[in-house]
Amino acid sequence: EAGVAQSPRYKIIEKRQSVAFWCNPISGHATLYWYQQILGQGPKLLIQFQNNGVVDDSQLPKDRFSAERLKGVDSTLKIQPAKLEDSAVYLCASSLVQDPRKNIQYFGAGTRLSVL
Amino acid sequence: LAKTTQPISMDSYEGQEVNITCSHNNIATNDYITWYQQFPSQGPRFIIQGYKTKVTNEVASLFIPADRKSSTLSLPRVSLSDTAVYYCLVGETGDSWGKFQFGAGTQVVVTP
Repeated sequence: EAGVAQSPRYKIIEKRQSVAFWCNPISGHATLYWYQQILGQGPKLLIQFQNNGVVDDSQLPKDRFSAERLKGVDSTLKIQPAKLEDSAVYLCASSLVQDPRKNIQYFGAGTRLSVL
Repeated sequence: LAKTTQPISMDSYEGQEVNITCSHNNIATNDYITWYQQFPSQGPRFIIQGYKTKVTNEVASLFIPADRKSSTLSLPRVSLSDTAVYYCLVGETGDSWGKFQFGAGTQVVVTP
């Protein structure tokens, strides 16, 4: 079974530039998550999709971050414009939520973003 | 969200058993407890999940006392490759659709 695919693996940009990350979840997984992980910290949930609808985006900085999941499969996370503090690893995860209590998330390798 | 508390770091030698205890005093009746492992430059990986008593798989054991206010992840006979960060998660049920919050995790370092 193919895992969660993310691209690119690494990205270096200058502040105020734009950047986009792509995620392809495990086939059949209805729930998709985007996390931000700053060095030395645990992953922080940015947005959660159930199919192509947003379930939770309470921690997404909406003035600069946006995400979409067209057709309930692939997803794109965008930052525009980027700030220095956006330097982090952006993780995508997916889950087959038959029972929310037992939610097991499968993570991609992440995209490491450096903002200079 | 049920807040979890776990030690920041633990050191061990190869071949020893490592036990990481996670405190989750506000766990709700329907919540499950899930543990993840994360290596550098990788995303977290599911290790084990349980609701009560004891769960064992090929990687680890999870001990949950009757009051469920804590849980202990046990890694038997660790090797150098078990050096990683371990996260304890307790989910919020109801309308949250399996919403979980990662803490800082426990950095386990295994030395020869």
